[in-house]
Amino acid sequence: NAGVTQTPKFQVLKTGQSMTLQCAQDMNHNSMYWYRQDPGMGLRLIYYSASEGTTDKGEVPNGYNVSRLNKREFSLRLESAAPSQTSVYFCASSEAASRLNQPQHFGDGTRLSIL
Amino acid sequence: GESVGLHLPTLSVQEGDNSIINCAYSNSASDYFIWYKQESGKGPQFIIDIRSNMDKRQGQRVTVLLNKTVKHLSLQIAATQPGDSAVYFCAEKGRGGKLIFGQGTELSVKP
Repeated sequence: NAGVTQTPKFQVLKTGQSMTLQCAQDMNHNSMYWYRQDPGMGLRLIYYSASEGTTDKGEVPNGYNVSRLNKREFSLRLESAAPSQTSVYFCASSEAASRLNQPQHFGDGTRLSIL
Repeated sequence: GESVGLHLPTLSVQEGDNSIINCAYSNSASDYFIWYKQESGKGPQFIIDIRSNMDKRQGQRVTVLLNKTVKHLSLQIAATQPGDSAVYFCAEKGRGGKLIFGQGTELSVKP
């Protein structure tokens, strides 16, 4: 029962480097999400995918791109990393974004530091 | 609520006591609420949820109370154990299914 799996768990980048964070879920969920979490703050939505083939911006999309590769996988890309993107990134999934009573299930995060 | 500030509210309780964690939410149109537990180095873990047509829901050792009049949500943990030490987040879900997370409360259980 893996649930939501994120890779890598840790990464250090230099300013300007690019990086793709991977996420896969094995719960046959339709919707997937990317969040960032900064110290002392709640999670902020970067992008989400309500269903395979669709993606939409969340609260803080600038500097990121996403790809919903298939129903299982949703990747987050930083094209040119900046120190302000140092954060912990969480991927989540749920059965359907629009339905009630559908909690999101989270992976254990990718800790990203940008120097 | 919205995430503000850098310092998490903290709650310290004695092992065996009951804990009450509070949350103020922002949108009166939100119709679904969730409590998550986040342990150090882990992702948020679903604890319990409640729809806006309810005012109370119970799980195993946890109870969520919803007061829509004052837009307030609380999580009660009975007989708190050291394993309950974590950060607890409330989240509200509005139209379109997006979750809005609160700042979080750090619960510390003293043995």
